[in-house]
Amino acid sequence: NAGVTQTPKFRILKIGQSMTLQCTQDMNHNYMYWYRQDPGMGLKLIYYSVGAGITDKGEVPNGYNVSRSTTEDFPLRLELAAPSQTSVYFCASSLRQGRSGANVLTFGAGSRLTVL
Amino acid sequence: GQQVMQIPQYQHVQEGEDFTTYCNSSTTLSNIQWYKQRPGGHPVFLIQLVKSGEVKKQKRLTFQFGEAKKNSSLHITATQTTDVGTYFCAGHTQGGSEKLVFGKGMKLTVNP
Repeated sequence: NAGVTQTPKFRILKIGQSMTLQCTQDMNHNYMYWYRQDPGMGLKLIYYSVGAGITDKGEVPNGYNVSRSTTEDFPLRLELAAPSQTSVYFCASSLRQGRSGANVLTFGAGSRLTVL
Repeated sequence: GQQVMQIPQYQHVQEGEDFTTYCNSSTTLSNIQWYKQRPGGHPVFLIQLVKSGEVKKQKRLTFQFGEAKKNSSLHITATQTTDVGTYFCAGHTQGGSEKLVFGKGMKLTVNP
Protein backbone atom coordinates (compact mmCIF):
# COMPACT_ATOMS: atom_id res chain seq x y z
CA ASN A 1 0.00 0.00 0.00
CA ALA A 2 1.27 3.45 -0.90
CA GLY A 3 -0.86 5.11 1.81
CA VAL A 4 -1.67 8.76 1.08
CA THR A 5 0.00 10.20 -2.00
CA GLN A 6 0.16 13.93 -2.69
CA THR A 7 1.29 15.66 -5.85
CA PRO A 8 3.06 17.89 -6.55
CA LYS A 9 5.61 18.01 -3.73
CA PHE A 10 6.65 21.55 -4.57
CA ARG A 11 5.07 24.30 -6.65
CA ILE A 12 5.61 28.01 -7.21
CA LEU A 13 2.62 30.00 -8.39
CA LYS A 14 2.19 33.58 -9.48
CA ILE A 15 -0.50 35.71 -7.86
CA GLY A 16 -3.84 35.05 -9.55
CA GLN A 17 -2.94 31.66 -10.98
CA SER A 18 -4.97 28.57 -10.19
CA MET A 19 -3.91 25.03 -9.48
CA THR A 20 -5.05 21.73 -8.05
CA LEU A 21 -3.26 19.75 -5.38
CA GLN A 22 -3.90 16.06 -5.88
CA CYS A 23 -4.44 13.57 -3.07
CA THR A 24 -5.14 9.88 -3.40
CA GLN A 25 -5.28 7.07 -0.86
CA ASP A 26 -5.33 3.32 -1.41
CA MET A 27 -6.46 2.23 2.05
CA ASN A 28 -10.21 2.42 1.36
CA HIS A 29 -10.54 5.09 4.02
CA ASN A 30 -13.88 6.90 4.18
CA TYR A 31 -12.69 10.17 5.74
CA MET A 32 -10.29 12.55 4.01
CA TYR A 33 -8.94 15.93 5.10
CA TRP A 34 -6.93 18.87 3.85
CA TYR A 35 -4.81 20.81 6.35
CA ARG A 36 -2.43 23.70 5.86
CA GLN A 37 0.61 24.34 8.03
CA ASP A 38 2.24 27.76 8.02
CA PRO A 39 5.91 28.00 9.12
CA GLY A 40 6.27 27.20 12.79
CA MET A 41 2.54 26.86 13.21
CA GLY A 42 0.03 24.11 13.78
CA LEU A 43 -2.39 22.42 11.43
CA LYS A 44 -5.46 24.26 10.25
CA LEU A 45 -8.31 22.30 8.68
CA ILE A 46 -9.35 23.58 5.26
CA TYR A 47 -11.94 21.04 4.11
CA TYR A 48 -12.89 17.50 4.94
CA SER A 49 -15.01 14.70 3.53
CA VAL A 50 -16.76 11.84 5.28
CA GLY A 51 -17.35 9.91 2.09
CA ALA A 52 -17.64 10.12 -1.67
CA GLY A 53 -19.91 12.97 -2.70
CA ILE A 54 -19.83 14.66 0.72
CA THR A 55 -17.58 17.58 1.65
CA ASP A 56 -17.66 20.21 4.37
CA LYS A 57 -15.75 23.30 5.39
CA GLY A 58 -13.11 23.38 8.07
CA GLU A 59 -11.60 26.39 9.86
CA VAL A 60 -10.03 28.15 6.85
CA PRO A 61 -11.93 27.27 3.63
CA ASN A 62 -11.82 30.67 1.90
CA GLY A 63 -9.93 30.62 -1.39
CA TYR A 64 -10.17 26.84 -1.75
CA ASN A 65 -12.52 24.28 -3.21
CA VAL A 66 -12.69 20.50 -2.99
CA SER A 67 -14.53 17.61 -4.54
CA ARG A 68 -14.82 13.94 -3.63
CA SER A 69 -16.12 12.03 -6.62
CA THR A 70 -14.43 8.77 -5.57
CA THR A 71 -13.40 7.19 -2.29
CA GLU A 72 -9.73 7.37 -3.29
CA ASP A 73 -9.32 10.95 -4.48
CA PHE A 74 -9.74 14.29 -2.73
CA PRO A 75 -8.25 17.13 -4.83
CA LEU A 76 -7.87 20.66 -3.42
CA ARG A 77 -8.36 23.52 -5.86
CA LEU A 78 -6.83 26.96 -5.37
CA GLU A 79 -8.48 29.67 -7.42
CA LEU A 80 -6.76 33.06 -7.81
CA ALA A 81 -3.71 32.24 -5.70
CA ALA A 82 -2.65 34.84 -3.14
CA PRO A 83 0.61 35.19 -1.11
CA SER A 84 -1.38 34.32 2.02
CA GLN A 85 -1.82 30.83 0.59
CA THR A 86 1.91 30.16 0.76
CA SER A 87 2.06 27.15 3.03
CA VAL A 88 2.63 23.43 3.30
CA TYR A 89 -0.52 21.47 2.54
CA PHE A 90 -1.16 18.07 4.04
CA CYS A 91 -3.79 15.62 2.92
CA ALA A 92 -4.86 12.95 5.39
CA SER A 93 -7.27 10.06 5.50
CA SER A 94 -8.84 7.83 8.13
CA LEU A 95 -11.16 4.89 8.51
CA ARG A 96 -13.93 5.86 10.86
CA GLN A 97 -16.71 3.49 11.78
CA GLY A 98 -19.55 5.41 13.34
CA ARG A 99 -19.42 8.83 14.99
CA SER A 100 -17.76 7.44 18.09
CA GLY A 101 -15.29 5.24 16.25
CA ALA A 102 -11.53 5.73 16.33
CA ASN A 103 -10.32 8.24 13.78
CA VAL A 104 -6.57 7.85 13.38
CA LEU A 105 -5.22 10.00 10.57
CA THR A 106 -2.64 8.91 8.02
CA PHE A 107 -0.94 11.90 6.46
CA GLY A 108 0.61 12.37 3.06
CA ALA A 109 4.14 13.74 2.71
CA GLY A 110 2.88 17.26 2.03
CA SER A 111 2.87 19.77 -0.83
CA ARG A 112 4.91 22.94 -0.39
CA LEU A 113 3.29 25.84 -2.21
CA THR A 114 4.80 29.29 -2.69
CA VAL A 115 2.79 32.15 -4.19
CA LEU A 116 4.84 35.07 -5.47
CA GLY B 1 -15.70 26.53 18.74
CA GLN B 2 -13.57 23.85 20.24
CA GLN B 3 -10.00 24.87 21.05
CA VAL B 4 -7.04 22.70 21.91
CA MET B 5 -4.08 24.42 23.53
CA GLN B 6 -0.62 23.02 24.06
CA ILE B 7 1.84 24.15 26.69
CA PRO B 8 4.63 24.98 26.21
CA GLN B 9 4.91 25.78 22.49
CA TYR B 10 8.67 25.32 22.60
CA GLN B 11 10.80 23.09 24.76
CA HIS B 12 14.58 22.90 24.73
CA VAL B 13 16.13 20.20 26.88
CA GLN B 14 19.51 18.68 27.52
CA GLU B 15 19.90 15.11 26.30
CA GLY B 16 19.02 12.75 29.14
CA GLU B 17 16.57 15.11 30.84
CA ASP B 18 12.92 14.34 31.54
CA PHE B 19 10.10 16.72 30.71
CA THR B 20 6.33 16.93 30.42
CA THR B 21 4.17 18.78 27.91
CA TYR B 22 0.46 19.44 28.28
CA CYS B 23 -2.62 19.63 26.13
CA ASN B 24 -5.80 21.38 27.28
CA SER B 25 -9.20 21.45 25.62
CA SER B 26 -11.94 24.03 26.06
CA THR B 27 -14.52 21.23 25.82
CA THR B 28 -14.80 17.62 26.96
CA LEU B 29 -13.20 15.22 24.51
CA SER B 30 -14.32 11.77 23.44
CA ASN B 31 -10.71 10.83 22.80
CA ILE B 32 -7.31 12.42 22.36
CA GLN B 33 -4.54 11.57 19.95
CA TRP B 34 -0.87 12.48 19.81
CA TYR B 35 1.16 12.88 16.63
CA LYS B 36 4.84 13.54 16.03
CA GLN B 37 6.23 15.53 13.11
CA ARG B 38 9.95 15.31 12.47
CA PRO B 39 11.61 18.41 10.96
CA GLY B 40 10.66 18.60 7.27
CA GLY B 41 8.30 15.64 7.63
CA HIS B 42 4.63 14.96 8.06
CA PRO B 43 2.65 14.20 11.23
CA VAL B 44 2.74 10.56 12.25
CA PHE B 45 0.25 9.01 14.68
CA LEU B 46 1.71 8.00 18.03
CA ILE B 47 -1.19 7.02 20.27
CA GLN B 48 -4.87 7.43 21.11
CA LEU B 49 -6.40 7.67 24.59
CA VAL B 50 -10.09 7.08 25.10
CA LYS B 51 -10.88 6.38 28.76
CA SER B 52 -10.90 8.89 31.59
CA GLY B 53 -7.59 8.69 33.48
CA GLU B 54 -6.07 6.34 30.90
CA VAL B 55 -2.28 5.99 30.88
CA LYS B 56 -0.32 4.43 28.03
CA LYS B 57 3.41 3.97 27.58
CA GLN B 58 5.56 3.72 24.48
CA LYS B 59 9.13 3.04 25.54
CA ARG B 60 10.27 6.34 27.11
CA LEU B 61 7.01 8.18 26.31
CA THR B 62 4.11 8.16 28.78
CA PHE B 63 0.73 9.54 27.74
CA GLN B 64 -2.11 10.35 30.12
CA PHE B 65 -5.73 11.39 29.62
CA GLY B 66 -7.21 13.53 32.36
CA GLU B 67 -10.03 12.38 34.62
CA ALA B 68 -12.37 15.03 33.21
CA LYS B 69 -11.29 14.19 29.62
CA LYS B 70 -10.36 17.82 28.98
CA ASN B 71 -6.60 17.53 29.18
CA SER B 72 -3.71 15.24 28.41
CA SER B 73 0.00 15.06 29.06
CA LEU B 74 3.05 13.58 27.38
CA HIS B 75 6.05 12.79 29.56
CA ILE B 76 9.37 11.90 27.96
CA THR B 77 12.00 10.19 30.08
CA ALA B 78 15.73 10.48 29.32
CA THR B 79 15.24 12.59 26.20
CA GLN B 80 17.30 11.59 23.16
CA THR B 81 18.18 13.48 20.00
CA THR B 82 15.84 11.15 18.12
CA ASP B 83 12.93 12.72 20.06
CA VAL B 84 13.42 16.03 18.23
CA GLY B 85 10.32 17.23 16.39
CA THR B 86 6.95 18.81 16.95
CA TYR B 87 4.37 16.95 19.01
CA PHE B 88 0.71 17.62 18.33
CA CYS B 89 -2.30 16.64 20.37
CA ALA B 90 -5.68 16.40 18.67
CA GLY B 91 -9.15 15.61 19.87
CA HIS B 92 -12.76 14.99 18.97
CA THR B 93 -15.45 16.59 21.07
CA GLN B 94 -17.96 14.40 22.90
CA GLY B 95 -20.78 13.41 20.58
CA GLY B 96 -18.45 12.36 17.81
CA SER B 97 -17.67 15.43 15.74
CA GLU B 98 -16.19 14.57 12.34
CA LYS B 99 -13.51 17.20 12.83
CA LEU B 100 -10.28 16.33 14.57
CA VAL B 101 -9.01 19.58 16.08
CA PHE B 102 -5.25 19.92 16.46
CA GLY B 103 -3.32 21.96 18.97
CA LYS B 104 -0.57 24.26 17.68
CA GLY B 105 2.09 21.77 18.66
CA MET B 106 5.06 21.65 21.00
CA LYS B 107 8.41 21.96 19.24
CA LEU B 108 11.14 19.97 20.99
CA THR B 109 14.82 20.61 20.50
CA VAL B 110 17.52 18.61 22.27
CA ASN B 111 21.02 19.68 23.17
CA PRO B 112 23.34 16.67 22.79
